[in-house]
Amino acid sequence: QQQVKQSPQSLIVQKGGISIINCAYENTAFDYFPWYQQFPGKGPALLIAIRPDVSEKKEGRFTISFNKSAKQFSLHIMDSQPGDSATYFCAASSWGGSWGKLQFGAGTQVVVTP
Amino acid sequence: EAGVAQSPRYKIIEKRQSVAFWCNPISGHATLYWYQQILGQGPKLLIQFQNNGVVDDSQLPKDRFSAERLKGVDSTLKIQPAKLEDSAVYLCASRMSAEAFFGQGTRLTVV
Repeated sequence: QQQVKQSPQSLIVQKGGISIINCAYENTAFDYFPWYQQFPGKGPALLIAIRPDVSEKKEGRFTISFNKSAKQFSLHIMDSQPGDSATYFCAASSWGGSWGKLQFGAGTQVVVTP
Repeated sequence: EAGVAQSPRYKIIEKRQSVAFWCNPISGHATLYWYQQILGQGPKLLIQFQNNGVVDDSQLPKDRFSAERLKGVDSTLKIQPAKLEDSAVYLCASRMSAEAFFGQGTRLTVV
């Protein structure tokens, strides 16, 4: 049972363009939604995260948009750069006295062309 | 602040052999996870520890995988005997608050 569904599987964007990755979740108990960036041979690194009490969070060129009623959230990468070429994972987690597991999406491979 | 340390980085074994992975989490992080990441997929939780107690091992293939967390700090994950389908990257992560930190992983190839 895939609790977090991510799309697209891959995308190619030109330098300076906008990359958009979408995720949907089922479990309404989730209350923490991070995005991770992973380069080949490396572990996932936290990029940006959001809680459900806000609809948008921006950090530099990266923005999360969150729609609680639709149970969807998305990552926008503005002014995409070749160094942004990586695999991006959305995830979700919940607090129940302690932090539960991170449920990951399947990942999106982003390629930024010069 | 030191990150999550994992060793070895790479391991190649024959099927039916045994293998062990080691993880040293960030100091003070009570929560420790082991994830399996198959090429082209998202990480899948194998086991979660809170201090030295198991919180979730529902997806751990217990007939061949085992894990322990000594004194609530370091952790080891063992596979015995290994199968071809165990070829993957094994990631360790630790967490004290919302943010979880991952190690670089151990890439296991079973031949």
